[in-house]
Amino acid sequence: AQSVAQPEDQVNVAEGNPLTVKCTYSVSGNPYLFWYVQYPNRGLQFLLKYITGDNLVKGSYGFEAEFNKSQTSFHLKKPSALVSDSALYFCAVRVLSGSARQLTFGSGTQLTVLP
Amino acid sequence: EAQVTQNPRYLITVTGKKLTVTCSQNMNHEYMSWYRQDPGLGLRQIYYSMNVEVTDKGDVPEGYKVSRKEKRNFPLILESPSPNQTSLYFCASQDRRTEAFFGQGTRLTVV
Repeated sequence: AQSVAQPEDQVNVAEGNPLTVKCTYSVSGNPYLFWYVQYPNRGLQFLLKYITGDNLVKGSYGFEAEFNKSQTSFHLKKPSALVSDSALYFCAVRVLSGSARQLTFGSGTQLTVLP
Repeated sequence: EAQVTQNPRYLITVTGKKLTVTCSQNMNHEYMSWYRQDPGLGLRQIYYSMNVEVTDKGDVPEGYKVSRKEKRNFPLILESPSPNQTSLYFCASQDRRTEAFFGQGTRLTVV
């Protein structure tokens, strides 16, 4: 079975400082990894994904994530946080084995950027 | 515009009264799924469908039904809703190598 862990329920960071939201995963096979963001009363918006290739993935709104196979991690990062980045962030993983395409989510991390 | 459309957005109902939440996608995706979101638990998959007439249980299927008679539609059916099904529900669609596209969500309250 596959799983995703987001060890921090809440992350606070000052505006202008770098931010990191942590994610580790467990799968059998090659993982496809995703980050989504959810603003209040909104659906989930896709930020970025890792499928193959470069371990550093760049996505929307200046976010990036680094795939680390040995540590089974896919941490989300941004060099300089904005107040508007405050939202709920989800990491997700799936594998493509046979016809299975189930997407498994972490429990989410609430990011608050303080002015 | 590529989108997943859920209806209704908000629903308050009483215990035991059958309801259906509709979901439609315009991207010709084969794979569709339903999730529920509860605080501290993230999103948990209820049911998924690999294609027309092919559905299977996710992690929390009890109390729910689905059908996939057409590729674009994947309704979620609660035959006899109970208060523990009060939640925020999301429909999603995806293809083999794409990210999942989510609907705007349906906030269901069962009293």
